[in-house]
Amino acid sequence: GAGVSQSPSNKVTEKGKDVELRCDPISGHTALYWYRQSLGQGLEFLIYFQGNSAPDKSGLPSDRFSAERTGGSVSTLTIQRTQQEDSAVYLCASSLRFQGPLADTQYFGPGTRLTVL
Amino acid sequence: ELKVEQNPLFLSMQEGKNYTIYCNYSTTSDRLYWYRQDPGKSLESLFVLLSNGAVKQEGRLMASLDTKARLSTLHITAAVHDLSATYFCAVVSNSGGSNYKLTFGKGTLLTVNP
Repeated sequence: GAGVSQSPSNKVTEKGKDVELRCDPISGHTALYWYRQSLGQGLEFLIYFQGNSAPDKSGLPSDRFSAERTGGSVSTLTIQRTQQEDSAVYLCASSLRFQGPLADTQYFGPGTRLTVL
Repeated sequence: ELKVEQNPLFLSMQEGKNYTIYCNYSTTSDRLYWYRQDPGKSLESLFVLLSNGAVKQEGRLMASLDTKARLSTLHITAAVHDLSATYFCAVVSNSGGSNYKLTFGKGTLLTVNP
């Protein structure tokens, strides 16, 4: 079946612009995760959703970052007033459930490479 | 703050040899992941370890978890070139609570030479 998809695959933007990154999880997966990977910071966990709710947003790097998930499916990560340090690959993953043994295998999307000039 | 240390960060080994990658973490956790990443690709989940003494094996890779020592190992048996990749461990804090957080190690770049 279809895996996790992300769009766009590449995004180049100018400093100060807003960007939206999209994640389509595997159908039926209730848990969704956002990560980013950069040379300077390595792999970082940003936020997770169980259904439509995100219990904890403290992993987001700054208040310029926000994420939402509607209808228990698609999620959007929005970065406002982008800065050069936001340049990274943003990865999305989903799993069947958040808690319990079945929850634990996460399936990753191909990522969105964001470059802020 | 949870800290996760992997070593070695770089590992070059010959085909057919065995080696172990170590993942130490600083605070109590009940869930640890191992991932693989090929160059230019996304992450692939390898193992999830949920309890002390947990051991999981898939092909030439075996992962174990010692929660008392706060240590996980990824053992490679009779390495083959196809295992060349970067391997990450990641440790969960507050797995059952609302403040779920996953902290990654810096990764181990494994190169298996003929």
